[in-house]
Amino acid sequence: GQQVMQIPQYQHVQEGEDFTTYCNSSTTLSNIQWYKQRPGGHPVFLIQLVKSGEVKKQKRLTFQFGEAKKNSSLHITATQTTDVGTYFCAPGGYNKLIFGAGTRLAVHP
Amino acid sequence: DGGITQSPKYLFRKEGQNVTLSCEQNLNHDAMYWYRQDPGQGLRLIYYSQIVNDFQKGDIAEGYSVSREKKESFPLTVTSAQKNPTAFYLCASSLSLAASDTQYFGPGTRLTVL
Repeated sequence: GQQVMQIPQYQHVQEGEDFTTYCNSSTTLSNIQWYKQRPGGHPVFLIQLVKSGEVKKQKRLTFQFGEAKKNSSLHITATQTTDVGTYFCAPGGYNKLIFGAGTRLAVHP
Repeated sequence: DGGITQSPKYLFRKEGQNVTLSCEQNLNHDAMYWYRQDPGQGLRLIYYSQIVNDFQKGDIAEGYSVSREKKESFPLTVTSAQKNPTAFYLCASSLSLAASDTQYFGPGTRLTVL
């Protein structure tokens, strides 16, 4: 079946440093979505990538979809304490979305 | 105010008791899902439903049951057969089961079994 690996599992950074999380699939994906879950909260949709090599930006967040549509990344420039939370990738492959294990980001002021 | 609601926010039960978690949506979505999240862990799919009166087991369905008698409602019962039920339970919905559809999550229910 479809497997997705998200790395790292956990990262802590100093405020102002950059952060990147990666999502890697064993199979070619039709699309990939990214979600953010604040501590104590629920996952909230951030963005969807569909095209090979696609890059999308949301303020300090940059999302990329690999050329082979097997991997994706989320990069945050100059992290802020409001970026704290867990970031999940959710690749679309077979008949429904599946969620990666998530990367937990801690930001120290 | 459209959205997806779960109640209660916190739930305490004694070991051996069945408990039902509520999930309601007014987004007119066909698909609904239940996930379990343990501390510091990802989301594990328990059950999902594509349409009324139809539902499928997810990755960890043992010890759980669901029903989908109405489009708006997808209650989850945690039975006494579930060996370690203490967890954070999240309900979600989407327009359809298609992987391109966004999932909208409820606020979750924290279940503690004493």
